[in-house]
Amino acid sequence: AQRVTQPEKLLSVFKGAPVELKCNYSYSGSPELFWYVQYSRQRLQLLLRHISRESIKGFTADLNKGETSFHLKKPFAQEEDSAMYYCALQYNFNKFYFGSGTKLNVKP
Amino acid sequence: EAQVTQNPRYLITVTGKKLTVTCSQNMNHEYMSWYRQDPGLGLRQIYYSMNVEVTDKGDVPEGYKVSRKEKRNFPLILESPSPNQTSLYFCASSLRTSPDTQYFGPGTRLTVL
Repeated sequence: AQRVTQPEKLLSVFKGAPVELKCNYSYSGSPELFWYVQYSRQRLQLLLRHISRESIKGFTADLNKGETSFHLKKPFAQEEDSAMYYCALQYNFNKFYFGSGTKLNVKP
Repeated sequence: EAQVTQNPRYLITVTGKKLTVTCSQNMNHEYMSWYRQDPGLGLRQIYYSMNVEVTDKGDVPEGYKVSRKEKRNFPLILESPSPNQTSLYFCASSLRTSPDTQYFGPGTRLTVL
């Protein structure tokens, strides 16, 4: 069965420190992976998707098929990065599976 | 403003009383989907729709119905709600699938007593 695991419920870092939010998936097909973010009092929104290979707000994520991971990284965290982050897997073309989320808290 | 709207935002009801949560998008999106979010479980997909009159089950469809008679609307129907359907519900839409950005509604917090 397809699954997405985000092992950390809460991640606290200081401003300027590197941050890595972990995401592991299980899926027998070719995965399409996304990171979504929900800032306080805002809607869930797309942060980035692996197919685009882009960097958004300084965040990057690399698909590692060998380790079945899609970790989200940023070299220098900012206070405005504090939010809930969800890793999502698109499978069977039309279905989505979201992880349980990691709350990132960036301390001043 | 391009967006996904849901109504109502909050609802408290009793077991067995049929209810409908509406979802509407004004972006001419083909794909729409319903999710429920429960503590520790993330978002689980209930139903999705590829286009008008085309719907299919997600991971947790039991106890729910949907319809897609118009492109912009995708209501979620609970024919006989039960307490285990107490949850936070999100509607989302996407221009296409495979793969594409999903735009989420604000959420509907449902409590079934």
